[in-house]
Amino acid sequence: NAGVTQTPKFRVLKTGQSMTLLCAQDMNHEYMYWYRQDPGMGLRLIHYSVGEGTTAKGEVPDGYNVSRLKKQNFLLGLESAAPSQTSVYFCASSSISRGNYGYTFGSGTRLTVV
Amino acid sequence: EDQVTQSPEALRLQEGESSSLNCSYTVSGLRGLFWYRQDPGKGPEFLFTLYSAGEEKEKERLKATLTKKESFLHITAPKPEDSATYLCAVQVVGNTDKLIFGTGTRLQVFP
Repeated sequence: NAGVTQTPKFRVLKTGQSMTLLCAQDMNHEYMYWYRQDPGMGLRLIHYSVGEGTTAKGEVPDGYNVSRLKKQNFLLGLESAAPSQTSVYFCASSSISRGNYGYTFGSGTRLTVV
Repeated sequence: EDQVTQSPEALRLQEGESSSLNCSYTVSGLRGLFWYRQDPGKGPEFLFTLYSAGEEKEKERLKATLTKKESFLHITAPKPEDSATYLCAVQVVGNTDKLIFGTGTRLQVFP
């Protein structure tokens, strides 16, 4: 059982380039999330999805887009990368009926924009 | 505004020296409070969920407690392998399933 898998693990982009981060979960979870983690600022929610075909904005959505065409996948796109988007990105998933189990996180993608 | 504050930012302990981490919160309505552990270069790992004041959860050397304004993560006789960043998060009533995270406490335990 792989849980939540993020690809790639590392990436360096030039300013203005675009890229897509992929998140895949094999737990049949309904909810999926993208967070960014920066020193001293904690985890901040970028976008989230409560089901296939639905997405919503989180706390810091500007400069990002997302899609959830399949229940198990949640894609995060950077349209035109900026140095301010240098961060570690985490995907997470959770279930409506999870009880006490909280989120399951991926291992993160470290993105550097130069 | 819903807010989560963790203290201290960093904590250094000698092996066996017990201590507590604090998570204070201000929310319109608490649905649940979560504790996670994060090791360097890895994603957060779920530890506990607390739902109501007075509730306690334990796991090995860790014990989490909850009041109406804050939560404590008590670490009893810590070992070097307990070194990690501990994150607190709250889920707010009516906010779907979203979690609001604190900035974490970085714990280092020395032998």
